[in-house]
Amino acid sequence: KNEVEQSPQNLTAQEGEFITINCSYSVGISALHWLQQHPGGGIVSLFMLSSGKKKHGRLIATINIQEKHSSLHITASHPRDSAVYICAVPSGMDSNYQLIWGAGTKLIIKP
Amino acid sequence: GAGVSQTPSNKVTEKGKYVELRCDPISGHTALYWYRQSLGQGPEFLIYFQGTGAADDSGLPNDRFFAVRPEGSVSTLKIQRTERGDSAVYLCASSLNRVTGEQYFGPGTRLTVT
Repeated sequence: KNEVEQSPQNLTAQEGEFITINCSYSVGISALHWLQQHPGGGIVSLFMLSSGKKKHGRLIATINIQEKHSSLHITASHPRDSAVYICAVPSGMDSNYQLIWGAGTKLIIKP
Repeated sequence: GAGVSQTPSNKVTEKGKYVELRCDPISGHTALYWYRQSLGQGPEFLIYFQGTGAADDSGLPNDRFFAVRPEGSVSTLKIQRTERGDSAVYLCASSLNRVTGEQYFGPGTRLTVT
């Protein structure tokens, strides 16, 4: 069964700063998910990636399959980016639906 | 609809009662997932449907929990004889198919058992 570690657990930054959140996992996977959860519980899927890099607006996600590591970057951070960011991976190569979730990174962006 | 919807958004029930939670996935998505998230924890997988059939129900905690998806679209999670420990946010997600995999989440149903 896969294990997921995220860092940092908590991150407070000033508006405009470049943010990096890291995720490491233990077992080979087909794809990795980055999700965002706002207070109140709603979860939004940000990225699903299996190699290289994806970009959406100010968000960039990268993955290194060999090193079993992914990063989520936020450029020009804004207070509305404040949320919990979660990395999730399948429990195994054939189980993309049984996601193992990281503990999440609570991000606070101060104006 | 544009996204996954879940009803009700909040449900308060007394211990021992029966509840049904509904999930309406994105149109055309054949895969549907139910998760449960307790306070301060990550979501826990409950069950996965591919079409009408439950492809994997290994995450259901016990036989008080049951889920159906009779027409391959809307799904209902049913909990019998609710216990206080069932209190959690129940999340539903759907994806185009299992191979594609990207899961789109609904807003969740917050269940409180008193």
